[in-house]
Amino acid sequence: KQEVTQIPAALSVPEGENLVLNCSFTDSAIYNLQWFRQDPGKGLTSLLLIQSSQREQTSGRLNASLDKSSGRSTLYIAASQPGDSATYLCAVYFQGGSEKLVFGKGTKLTVNP
Amino acid sequence: GAVVSQHPSWVICKSGTSVKIECRSLDFQATTMFWYRQFPKQSLMLMATSNEGSKATYEQGVEKDKFLINHASLTLSTLTVTSAHPEDSSFYICSANLRDRGGYTFGSGTRLTIV
Repeated sequence: KQEVTQIPAALSVPEGENLVLNCSFTDSAIYNLQWFRQDPGKGLTSLLLIQSSQREQTSGRLNASLDKSSGRSTLYIAASQPGDSATYLCAVYFQGGSEKLVFGKGTKLTVNP
Repeated sequence: GAVVSQHPSWVICKSGTSVKIECRSLDFQATTMFWYRQFPKQSLMLMATSNEGSKATYEQGVEKDKFLINHASLTLSTLTVTSAHPEDSSFYICSANLRDRGGYTFGSGTRLTIV
């Protein structure tokens, strides 16, 4: 079964700290992996998309890595800010199945001023 | 670019009524759209895949007659919750695959509350 797991489920850090969110997936045959941000009661905002042939992607203070062979991805947030507080979702587009994303349960991040 | 517009953002209606949620791709054509449901503190669960000009594909356990999906054009997909009950209260989100642009884009979601 194709599954995506995210740890930790929740994380609370002081402002300014660098942090890492983890995502693991059960099948290395993937098309791509996408990190999203979701604010309470809102839709999803795409943060970074990593194709299966790529190792990492960067956008501003965010850096996402992908290690297909070990089935892992990390989202690194530098110099965290209170505005980064949200739930971060990892989603994997697996090969060999229908065209759909499989989501992790997310990591709820709180950055304290 | 690559915006998916979803309406309404929230709706409250009485038990037994039907509710329609619209999802439009504003600057691209979406032959396929996806409908998700999210319960509080849970992740997104795929309900169905909406295919332009053909029948939707439903995930296991999702009632086809209760959640009617119509994808009549390349820019519009609708989800109608028929004879809604309080247990249908949830957050519904649509999505489209950007294909050549890569990745998926999501609507802003609809908070449905049945009273």
